[in-house]
Amino acid sequence: VQLVESGGGLVQPGGSLRLSCAASGFTFSSYAMSWVRQAPGKGLEWVSAISGGGDSTSYADSVKGRFTISRDKSKNTLYLQMNSLRAEDTAVYYCAKASARIVATATFDYWGQGTLVTVSS
Amino acid sequence: QSVLTQPPSVSAAPGQKVTISCSGSSSNIGNNYVSWYQQLPGTAPKLLIYENNKRPSGIPDRFSGSKSGTSATLGITGLQTGDEADYYCGTWDRSLSALVFGGGTKLTVL
Repeated sequence: VQLVESGGGLVQPGGSLRLSCAASGFTFSSYAMSWVRQAPGKGLEWVSAISGGGDSTSYADSVKGRFTISRDKSKNTLYLQMNSLRAEDTAVYYCAKASARIVATATFDYWGQGTLVTVSS
Repeated sequence: QSVLTQPPSVSAAPGQKVTISCSGSSSNIGNNYVSWYQQLPGTAPKLLIYENNKRPSGIPDRFSGSKSGTSATLGITGLQTGDEADYYCGTWDRSLSALVFGGGTKLTVL
């Protein structure tokens, strides 16, 4: 199993960014996926999850209405579209593979290496 | 302020045992499985315990998990300097319809 994030970088407040997570080594559509972030020197914060079939999503209140999670089965890729970015969104963003198909799980058996998003003027 | 409460830090000597607590409520720990993660400095989190007390393959039996009511506990025996890391508990919260993590506990092996 391999998860490789990309798309991070420096963006101004109010700007947008799209993160990608390329997955390999497992049947992508059989498992839910999540984004988890970690601000510098802080703890883990769950951001969003999407079911294996892509028909169910869930978001943390802190990003609801600004971020959109999606997945492309044909490309085995998970996405996070981030709009209206704020300074407090600055963090390393990890994609994580769930051990089940549903979003309501806290068991992530594989994690990517993370991609840094910095929101600053 | 995290929904799940963990002690900020714990410490013990090499070879000793340590426990890390994770306190929640009926909407999260009380009615859902708990997972535990280890995060070594500069690395991604790693699954240590899932479904309260199960270990993924490759995780030594020095690591154990338990749950009682609205609290969960991670135990580590035979402490090694390589166990120095941050540890996080996590579970699904039915009221929030969101995954919640504890604030993390930094383990120091003296």
